[in-house]
Amino acid sequence: QKEVEQNSGPLSVPEGAIASLNCTYSDRGSQSFFWYRQYSGKSPELIMFIYSNGDKEDGRFTAQLNKASQYVSLLIRDSQPSDSATYLCAVNMWDYGQNFVFGPGTRLSVLP
Amino acid sequence: GAVVSQHPSRVICKSGTSVKIECRSLDFQATTMFWYRQFPKQSLMLMATSNEGSKATYEQGVEKDKFLINHASLTLSTLTVTSAHPEDSSFYICSARGQPNTEAFFGQGTRLTVV
Repeated sequence: QKEVEQNSGPLSVPEGAIASLNCTYSDRGSQSFFWYRQYSGKSPELIMFIYSNGDKEDGRFTAQLNKASQYVSLLIRDSQPSDSATYLCAVNMWDYGQNFVFGPGTRLSVLP
Repeated sequence: GAVVSQHPSRVICKSGTSVKIECRSLDFQATTMFWYRQFPKQSLMLMATSNEGSKATYEQGVEKDKFLINHASLTLSTLTVTSAHPEDSSFYICSARGQPNTEAFFGQGTRLTVV
């Protein structure tokens, strides 16, 4: 069964705070994990990808992966109102033909 | 990141007509392309996956005779909505990937309105 789960939100954080977005997945054999951001009415854009356990940082964004717990997260430091969007977790699942399975997305609202 | 171009961005068509949407990878060879549909305030819904030179694999519940997908080259895939009806009005988005296990890049999306 292919499954990627995320809290739908909305997650509201004040400007300047850290936003923490979480994702769990069902396929233990999954090897690659992606975070996309989607603004209302637009198509998703890639923020980060992570393949190995641990943390990966890129500017204000940090992706964290724990394969044993089948958990991947995205931290956004110094959140800005422009970060307000829906964040989609995507997992490349082996038992789905190495194709992407997207979570339902978490809506983030950064309050000025 | 890599560039995926999708056209048209908006289209309005009459009920019963067909509409073709193009998805091109501009700076990489896309071995796999994905087609999604998204209704307002809802999640992405995968319609089909196509590998270059092969028939598309459709998700359950997606009519392959209504949504024709062609992936004839490593840089172009098309989705044709045949005999469109108002309930087909939606945001259609393609994405393209070079190699398995790597990231996919999305086109700009096509907003289809059937009147």
